[in-house]
Amino acid sequence: EAQVTQNPRYLITVTGKKLTVTCSQNMNHEYMSWYRQDPGLGLRQIYYSMNVEVTDKGDVPEGYKVSRKEKRNFPLILESPSPNQTSLYFCASSLGQGNIQYFGAGTRLSVL
Amino acid sequence: ILNVEQSPQSLHVQEGDSTNFTCSFPSSNFYALHWYRWETAKSPEALFVMTLNGDEKKKGRISATLNTKEGYSYLYIKGSQPEDSATYLCVPFKGTGNQFYFGTGTSLTVIP
Repeated sequence: EAQVTQNPRYLITVTGKKLTVTCSQNMNHEYMSWYRQDPGLGLRQIYYSMNVEVTDKGDVPEGYKVSRKEKRNFPLILESPSPNQTSLYFCASSLGQGNIQYFGAGTRLSVL
Repeated sequence: ILNVEQSPQSLHVQEGDSTNFTCSFPSSNFYALHWYRWETAKSPEALFVMTLNGDEKKKGRISATLNTKEGYSYLYIKGSQPEDSATYLCVPFKGTGNQFYFGTGTSLTVIP
């Protein structure tokens, strides 16, 4: 089954404790993105990747890192999480530039 | 950042009613427009990708039109059903990188 898999689905952590949210897709898609969703706001793009080792900032990249060492994986790294990063995070992938995106199930993160 | 406006913000209709809502976006540098449907507690799912002025797309009871010259798209739902209850998002794409700008969408509730 074609899918985008995020882990974990739920995470509670404390300020400053490094964490990684994994994202994997099995559709051989070139493009992958990370979004965050906060109440009253639309999805905001954090980072995107157009291919292995090619990443670029979205609208809200501060406090996040990403890597794309393999085509299928695009982890989101919070080196020193802060409470303002409490949010619902979605990973998405698409076949090519501007193509429709397939979203993961989301990761709900709480930073205390 | 692309300013996307969707109206109305929310809508309640009776089962069986037909409905429509509007997406406005900057017409300059237009490349494509995506429509997504987002049910509560799920992930966004793509409905349509539209690229050409005058495009019309249809999927079951849902259809969409596109006017790139004036910068708007309409989404129509014929004979609304409770399972159509969701937030509908239009997402313009400028054609550079892989940046997408999501608004807050139109929240549709279909009352049985």
